[in-house]
Amino acid sequence: QISLKESGPTLVKPTQTLTLTCTFSGFSLSTSGVGVGWIRQPPGKALEWLALIYWNDDKRYSPSLKSRLTISKDTSKNQVVLTMTNMDPVDTATYYCAHISKYCTGGSCYYLDYWGQGTLVTVSS
Amino acid sequence: AIRMTQSPSSFSASTGDRVTITCRASQSISSFLAWYQQKPGKAPTLLIYAASTLQSGVPSRFSGSGSGTDFTLTISCLQSEDFASYYCQQYYTDPWTFGQGTKVEIK
Repeated sequence: QISLKESGPTLVKPTQTLTLTCTFSGFSLSTSGVGVGWIRQPPGKALEWLALIYWNDDKRYSPSLKSRLTISKDTSKNQVVLTMTNMDPVDTATYYCAHISKYCTGGSCYYLDYWGQGTLVTVSS
Repeated sequence: AIRMTQSPSSFSASTGDRVTITCRASQSISSFLAWYQQKPGKAPTLLIYAASTLQSGVPSRFSGSGSGTDFTLTISCLQSEDFASYYCQQYYTDPWTFGQGTKVEIK
C-alpha cells in the first residue's frame, strides 16, 4: 500500500529557505519507472506542479521556479526533499508530494497516482 | 508551457444528473491527460489517466474521453459524494500543467 507524508515548517519568514521532506512507504525509488513529484496549491487556487525526481535521478523543474528549487532523494531513507529559496508571501500554499507511476513505454508515460495529505506553509514575517 | 483550460469554472447540479466537464489543451497532448477530484481540505485523488483509463477503485460512473486538445470528464449519475472540485492535468511534456479547476456544487 503506497503512502506519502509531507513534513516541514508551517511558518517561514520572507527570504528564508523552505525545506520540505516527503517520507513514503509501499514503494522504492530505486525501482525502474517510479518517481516522486511536488505540487502546491495556494489557498482557494489551482494546483501548480513544482518538480519531480525519477528513480534514475532524472530531475525536472517548473521553469518559472527553477532557479529557486532543488529536489533530491535518499533511497535508503525512503525520502524526497524539496528546497525552495527566497520564500515570499505569494508562496503560501499547501505543498503536496505524490507518487509517479509509469504505465506504458515512452517518455510521457508517467502520471501522479498517489498523493500525500499535504502540508500548509505560510510565509509571513 | 501548455495551457490547460477547463469549462465551466463552476456549476450547480442535482443528485442523479449526468454532468460533463471539458478540458482544452493549448496544443496537442495526445492522450497524456489525467483527471483528479479534490474535496475541501483534502488532497486530490486520481480518477482517470491516459484520458480514459479509470484508476483502480474509482466508480464506473466516472468516465473520460478525448485526445489531442479536447477532453471531457463525465459523471453519469451524480452522487452526493461527487460534489467536489475537479482538475485536469497534462503530463505530455514538462512543465506538467493543471487546469484551473471546476467546482461542482449542489443545486
